[in-house]
Amino acid sequence: AQKITQTQPGMFVQEKEAVTLDCTYDTSDPSYGLFWYKQPSSGEMIFLIYQGSYDQQNATEGRYSLNFQKARKSANLVISASQLGDSAMYFCAMRETRGGSYIPTFGRGTSLIVHP
Amino acid sequence: DAGVIQSPRHEVTEMGQEVTLRCKPISGHDYLFWYRQTMMRGLELLIYFNNNVPIDDSGMPEDRFSAKMPNASFSTLKIQPSEPRDSAVYFCASSSGVAGALGNEQFFGPGTRLTVL
Repeated sequence: AQKITQTQPGMFVQEKEAVTLDCTYDTSDPSYGLFWYKQPSSGEMIFLIYQGSYDQQNATEGRYSLNFQKARKSANLVISASQLGDSAMYFCAMRETRGGSYIPTFGRGTSLIVHP
Repeated sequence: DAGVIQSPRHEVTEMGQEVTLRCKPISGHDYLFWYRQTMMRGLELLIYFNNNVPIDDSGMPEDRFSAKMPNASFSTLKIQPSEPRDSAVYFCASSSGVAGALGNEQFFGPGTRLTVL
């Protein structure tokens, strides 16, 4: 069963507008963490933001915020004021207990293209 | 810090040949992960180490794949013999896994793009 679902294979947004990338997850573990990574065309994986399952407030990091809705098991990434450099693949990942450690599982990713 | 270092960045080989991918984690990180990324299967965790010890290798596709971590600053992923379906980008990542710290991010290397002809 897929644990991380990113239903949007591709998204388009106008420069300077906000965009939301969807992520839903499935776990029975009460303690887990959710991450978003960016992968530009150059290939490297860049950490963007983290949300813990017990965190009361939604995480924010600069222009990135995480819309965490625990009851719905969703952890959507919101990018405000999109820039051309935001064009990339975006991966949602969930870290849960596995083998005594906290190990992440990644979604299939969403391709974001920012238009000028 | 130089970040996670992987070598080679690109590897082209012929079917049946042995391939060795190398990784140097960030100094002080006690977790090391090997991932494979393909269009068909996305990003898959192959194996991870904690303090140089392999903890979970359930993602290793078959016996042709093996990974070692002889010390805290070096790991290898070996494919022998290689097959065309092994063509992918292989990432190494490391993290500081303080117990209970779910939020410790993984730092990824630049990846090795492997092509098996």
